[in-house]
Amino acid sequence: DTGVSQDPRHKITKRGQNVTFRCDPISEHNRLYWYRQTLGQGPEFLTYFQNEAQLEKSRLLSDRFSAERPKGSFSTLEIQRTEQGDSAMYLCASSFELTSGPYEQYFGPGTRLTVT
Amino acid sequence: AQSVAQPEDQVNVAEGNPLTVKCTYSVSGNPYLFWYVQYPNRGLQFLLKYITGDNLVKGSYGFEAEFNKSQTSFHLKKPSALVSDSALYFCAVRDISNTGNQFYFGTGTSLTVIP
Repeated sequence: DTGVSQDPRHKITKRGQNVTFRCDPISEHNRLYWYRQTLGQGPEFLTYFQNEAQLEKSRLLSDRFSAERPKGSFSTLEIQRTEQGDSAMYLCASSFELTSGPYEQYFGPGTRLTVT
Repeated sequence: AQSVAQPEDQVNVAEGNPLTVKCTYSVSGNPYLFWYVQYPNRGLQFLLKYITGDNLVKGSYGFEAEFNKSQTSFHLKKPSALVSDSALYFCAVRDISNTGNQFYFGTGTSLTVIP
């Protein structure tokens, strides 16, 4: 299967711990997005990469959140000093976009984070 | 500011009947519009998009959507609902005149098709 994959699928952590999530996009896709989704809400944009460059971050993104895409392939999202309010589903999506875009995003299955 | 509204949290329809899931949007320029479907424990799946051209767009699984600029709407439709269409549906918008590249999603509409 050549879809978007995310690891882990579930993560339970204690408040104050750091967590890191990984996303592997579709291989030829140049754009990678991170979203957060809570119950009863749609995906909320966090940040996106064009190849290895992080081009946009949501103003809602706390300083505790950091994302990387070191070689323009997989990406990691780290949350430091987790809080209970960080409990959510974290979604990764990728797309291939040229100037004639946009093209639709393909989503991974998500990582469900529970902070106790 | 860009936003999407899905005014119905829940839509119920009998199998075989036509279905409509509503979406209205607000952008400062011209919109790109998308519909996604989410099944339990699955990621969001792309259904269809409107970029430009014909206001009626056709997508996966027999779904279609009509772009109405005057009403700023992009309602999802299907002529004959199937039980397997029961899922959570999200509308999304991106403003093509905005230098940003954010997609804004609605809060979702839960569709239940009753056998």
